[in-house]
Amino acid sequence: DTGVSQNPRHKITKRGQNVTFRCDPISEHNRLYWYRQTLGQGPEFLTYFQNEAQLEKSRLLSDRFSAERPKGSFSTLEIQRTEQGDSAMYLCASSSSQETQYFGPGTRLLVL
Amino acid sequence: LAKTTQPISMDSYEGQEVNITCSHNNIATNDYITWYQQFPSQGPRFIIQGYKTKVTNEVASLFIPADRKSSTLSLPRVSLSDTAVYYCLVGDMNYGGSQGNLIFGKGTKLSVKP
Repeated sequence: DTGVSQNPRHKITKRGQNVTFRCDPISEHNRLYWYRQTLGQGPEFLTYFQNEAQLEKSRLLSDRFSAERPKGSFSTLEIQRTEQGDSAMYLCASSSSQETQYFGPGTRLLVL
Repeated sequence: LAKTTQPISMDSYEGQEVNITCSHNNIATNDYITWYQQFPSQGPRFIIQGYKTKVTNEVASLFIPADRKSSTLSLPRVSLSDTAVYYCLVGDMNYGGSQGNLIFGKGTKLSVKP
């Protein structure tokens, strides 16, 4: 299966710690997206990459959040000084230009 | 705010056809309509996408009237495994940012009973 993969699938951390998630998109997809989803809500857009360029960031992406996509392949999402309110499912999706997005399985973060 | 409006929940029984309607009164000329299915603790799974009239694949059909202000996802002969949340999104596929189909609402929680 060459779908979108995310690691780790689950992460438990203590408040104040830093965490990093990885997303491997479908190969040759030039667009990559990060979303956050809390219980009972739909996914909320966080940020978007076109190749290696981060073209848009949601206002939900506070300065404690940073995302990178070096070389336009995999992407990482780092959360610094985690807070309990950061507990959520973090989803990654990828697409080709003018094509629909395909989502990964998500990384579930629990901040204690 | 989501560009679409869907029922919060629906109930059905195994073997029935289920139709979920989505309203998108402000759909733009270049917007496509996309439906996703999501199971608990999984990422959304693409079901179907269309621009106008009718689209059918091996999983579902999508009906879009001429004014495109609404669309209906049709799931034939549902089974217990179709119990999930279904999201309707509209957006311009030419754009990858917030102009694209990135705004999810709360979706429709479909419960299929035996």
